[in-house]
Amino acid sequence: GAVVSQHPSRVICKSGTSVKIECRSLDFQATTMFWYRQFPKQSLMLMATSNEGSKATYEQGVEKDKFLINHASLTLSTLTVTSAHPEDSSFYICSAPGRGGQETQYFGPGTRLLVL
Amino acid sequence: QKEVEQNSGPLSVPEGAIASLNCTYSDRGSQSFFWYRQYSGKSPELIMFIYSNGDKEDGRFTAQLNKASQYVSLLIRDSQPSDSATYLCAVNRGGATNKLIFGTGTLLAVQP
Repeated sequence: GAVVSQHPSRVICKSGTSVKIECRSLDFQATTMFWYRQFPKQSLMLMATSNEGSKATYEQGVEKDKFLINHASLTLSTLTVTSAHPEDSSFYICSAPGRGGQETQYFGPGTRLLVL
Repeated sequence: QKEVEQNSGPLSVPEGAIASLNCTYSDRGSQSFFWYRQYSGKSPELIMFIYSNGDKEDGRFTAQLNKASQYVSLLIRDSQPSDSATYLCAVNRGGATNKLIFGTGTLLAVQP
């Protein structure tokens, strides 16, 4: 399977600050990556599709100015939570399609964000 | 109606038994189906995927797909306590976006 990493694994920040989360494909190139958010005891909700060299595609209800996505290279996508508030506290997970087929997605280990 | 539905559980089975996890989906045009396992506090791990009607076996796991009934299931044979986790069903509707739509997951508890 493909290997996807995320950094940081855990972050605590004050309300109003911005937090950047990195997602890297370690042994393959990913022109597309996906960002999910998961609240406790809930399922994964797709936030946006990150496209290398072009704008991200956001799901309905996700504020693109609050969740900035940059996919500057074939192995790196970043999600920046701007002006974070306590309600943004969640588990953020990225994924990338694996070599087994574009439909197969492999997930990074996730980033747990706590906004105080 | 949710696009992908699963019973939240918990589903409790004794060690060594067969665990049967079920999932239904609403979009008849869905093309590929996935089962992920998620341990508490961790990200999902791909177990199996299936595209065609019928059964697909991989070790102790068997995925079953019935597109006419819009139903996909996962059987775990010889269940072990280490199988205790939340199992997420995901559906890919196909097309250019390859987005996965997840169910809410079924919590499986294997009792030693």
